Amino acid sequence: RKEVEQDPGPFNVPEGATVAFNCTYSNSASQSFFWYRQDCRKEPKLLMSVYSSGNEDGRFTAQLNRASQYISLLIRDSKLSDSATYLCVVAALGYQKVTFGTGTKLQVIP
Amino acid sequence: NAGVTQTPKFRVLKTGQSMTLLCAQDMNHEYMYWYRQDPGMGLRLIHYSVGEGTTAKGEVPDGYNVSRLKKQNFLLGLESAAPSQTSVYFCASSYGVRGSTYEQYFGPGTRLTVT
Repeated sequence: RKEVEQDPGPFNVPEGATVAFNCTYSNSASQSFFWYRQDCRKEPKLLMSVYSSGNEDGRFTAQLNRASQYISLLIRDSKLSDSATYLCVVAALGYQKVTFGTGTKLQVIP
Repeated sequence: NAGVTQTPKFRVLKTGQSMTLLCAQDMNHEYMYWYRQDPGMGLRLIHYSVGEGTTAKGEVPDGYNVSRLKKQNFLLGLESAAPSQTSVYFCASSYGVRGSTYEQYFGPGTRLTVT
């Protein structure tokens, strides 16, 4: 089993739709969780951290479920500019235990 | 404020040639990282550094060496390039390794092809 698993997609959704991605992780000692966004042929950029209590940033909501070992990202009112690959990142204590998922591709269609 | 910069942006090498990739950051970050990204594999950590003069191996260190002589620079060396090292290489830096300080800032990447 991979340490971090994501559905590669692509998720093709119309503008204005709501879309959700999940990411499962296998290391129960994981402590820090993030969602990064990566545009085609560009570097990853932090979208948001994922806190135990869940967090929201505008149209984006991230949640953590420690019992089931997954994190989720919800995007409301999708925009064309949301089209990108979304990377799930899980870190155990310390930098050497950071693991990137392979990403979920989102394509928002006009 | 340039953030994280990488040179070169593109490079084609022949098998057996050597090269050095340069990463520079102007955010006074202590931690720096080198990753490679391959299709279907995600980002994999090659080497990292927790401060000036220190380096350590990551997940896939074989065939690479690194140096961090200055806090702002992190160099990745390929002594004898192999086709398996064809990849996109990203450098990143972070202020810390706990909680929100863990945010990693990435450079634009170096696309390396080894023929």
